[in-house]
Amino acid sequence: QKEVEQNSGPLSVPEGAIASLNCTYSDRGSQSFFWYRQYSGKSPELIMFIYSNGDKEDGRFTAQLNKASQYVSLLIRDSQPSDSATYLCAAYNQAGTALIFGKGTTLSVSS
Amino acid sequence: KAGVTQTPRYLIKTRGQQVTLSCSPISGHRSVSWYQQTPGQGLQFLFEYFSETQRNKGNFPGRFSGRQFSNSRSEMNVSTLELGDSALYLCASSLATGSSYNEQFFGPGTRLTVL
Repeated sequence: QKEVEQNSGPLSVPEGAIASLNCTYSDRGSQSFFWYRQYSGKSPELIMFIYSNGDKEDGRFTAQLNKASQYVSLLIRDSQPSDSATYLCAAYNQAGTALIFGKGTTLSVSS
Repeated sequence: KAGVTQTPRYLIKTRGQQVTLSCSPISGHRSVSWYQQTPGQGLQFLFEYFSETQRNKGNFPGRFSGRQFSNSRSEMNVSTLELGDSALYLCASSLATGSSYNEQFFGPGTRLTVL
């Protein structure tokens, strides 16, 4: 059974700091990983995805993938109170027909 | 380009009733996936449709069913509702299926409450 694990948090960081969100996965065959942000009462919003080892940057967000360690992370630089949300990590099943989600990490950015 | 739309946004039903939820994907997207989100279990995959065919089904009882129409719109049905079916039901659309690189975009969800 493929699993995606996240620390539920809450992760609390001060405004302007770097927030680091982590995710591990059990299936070595997983090829790509997606990060979603979900505000309370809203639906998940795709932030970015990564499929190559290393870093991928998009604005204040950097996704990191280490396939050998089966580890994915999302860094948020210059964190803002508006970044306070639950961050979901997801990976596809082998058939590419279903996203398997972690339970999410709640981030709180204090001003 | 309009996003994924879901109707209705809120529903209140009683145990034993059935319910039908609707999802219209982003224009040009042919794959529609359904997920159930609860505080305890998180986001769980229900099923995925592409070209009017169910491609995959999650670990849910047969009371949960769905279909997709030729215009890619999809519906899901839950029969004989139970209290535990209270959840946020999310629909996501993507261009295609069968690839680990398809980005899925979510609709606003339907909040179902079973009394």
